[in-house]
Amino acid sequence: NAGVTQTPKFQVLKTGQSMTLQCAQDMNHEYMSWYRQDPGMGLRLIHYSVGAGITDQGEVPNGYNVSRSTTEDFPLRLLSAAPSQTSVYFCASRATGLAYEQYFGPGTRLTVT
Amino acid sequence: DAKTTQPPSMDCAEGRAANLPCNHSTISGNEYVYWYRQIHSQGPQYIIHGLKNNETNEMASLIITEDRKSSTLILPHATLRDTAVYYCIEKNYGGSQGNLIFGKGTKLSVKP
Repeated sequence: NAGVTQTPKFQVLKTGQSMTLQCAQDMNHEYMSWYRQDPGMGLRLIHYSVGAGITDQGEVPNGYNVSRSTTEDFPLRLLSAAPSQTSVYFCASRATGLAYEQYFGPGTRLTVT
Repeated sequence: DAKTTQPPSMDCAEGRAANLPCNHSTISGNEYVYWYRQIHSQGPQYIIHGLKNNETNEMASLIITEDRKSSTLILPHATLRDTAVYYCIEKNYGGSQGNLIFGKGTKLSVKP
């Protein structure tokens, strides 16, 4: 299994541009989530999904959209990038019920200029 | 916000035991304590979890006080590869909102 994969690894955007960060998992996990991590900080939850067709907001959802059309994929969209969204983004997944073992992807490093 | 408190940093000599403390004084009866770590620039990695009893796996041991207000993660023989930020997290087990709330964690530096 590849586990949780994220693309791209690095991205530079100009203010106002849009883009989609991709996340995929091959473990048939129902639960997927997106976090951002700023320098010297812990991870903050952006959005999460408990299954295909179901999404909900985390603690810092503004400026981001998500959708979940399949179990495997959970893309994160930035509609109009801002410098405040410069961060490292991590996608994670877990099986329903196995709440403690969450698997994280390698991260996407985004810079908005 | 994270409900746990951890020291911001600790040092440990290679080969010695690393004991990482965590206070979770507001933990409720059905909340588990989870430990994750994040090696530089990588995604967090699950280590161990517990409710009341002490737990041990191939990576670490978790000691939870009887009143459950604090716990200690023990890496019995720390290596240089254990240098990482260690996060202690409270969370309800299972359910649809199995979200992990991360604090700033403890930066453990293992020195030769």
